[in-house]
Amino acid sequence: QLQLQESGPGLVKPSETLSLTCTVSGGSISSSSYYWGWIRQPPGKGLEWIGSIYYSGSTYYNPSLKSRVTISVDTSKNQFSLKLSSVTAADTAVYYCASMVRGVIIGPYMDVWGKGTTVTVSS
Amino acid sequence: QSVLTQPPSVSGAPGQRVTISCTGSSSNIGAGYDVHWYQQLPGTAPKLLIYGNSNRPSGVPDRFSGSKSGTSASLAITGLQAEDEADYYCQSYDSSLSGAWVFGGGTKLTVL
Repeated sequence: QLQLQESGPGLVKPSETLSLTCTVSGGSISSSSYYWGWIRQPPGKGLEWIGSIYYSGSTYYNPSLKSRVTISVDTSKNQFSLKLSSVTAADTAVYYCASMVRGVIIGPYMDVWGKGTTVTVSS
Repeated sequence: QSVLTQPPSVSGAPGQRVTISCTGSSSNIGAGYDVHWYQQLPGTAPKLLIYGNSNRPSGVPDRFSGSKSGTSASLAITGLQAEDEADYYCQSYDSSLSGAWVFGGGTKLTVL
């Protein structure tokens, strides 16, 4: 049973870089059956996909965030990470990591989610 | 403004049937990309409810069903229960621009 857990600072200053890590347990991040994704939810608002990575290192980013986002994977630690640069108050949100089933017939969907971590951008 | 459009809110009495629509376009749902649905109970992470338009993961009651036609998809909930009160999101893939996985804006279901 896959479990995902986000970790990282809860407070980031404007213009700095937000860094989060997602630790995967109960399965291998090197599985060919999954992408690994980051999703965020600003206070009182809806879900926004940030980006995803495959264990090989192939990355897929939301075009609206692409210039500021870097997602990486560390297979030795069974973790993947998110870096979001030049943050502003608009980046304040709950950040979730999720496993995305990479089906042959059915398009990718997020089957297991972490509990989420709140990141506030403020000086 | 979300690429996938959902009604902000729906409501129904216990035992009733409600539907939540998810309207897209020719670059996402209409292009044949699958639609998935998530339930987010207050203060919790989203949970997968329907995948591949109409498939229920193990443990999801058969009161929940999904369908897709043309550029739209729908989530139906029958025999409404108080614990169904939550936010519901549809999700698909959009091939415009550089491509992206996209969510609907979410629908708040209130059980009266």
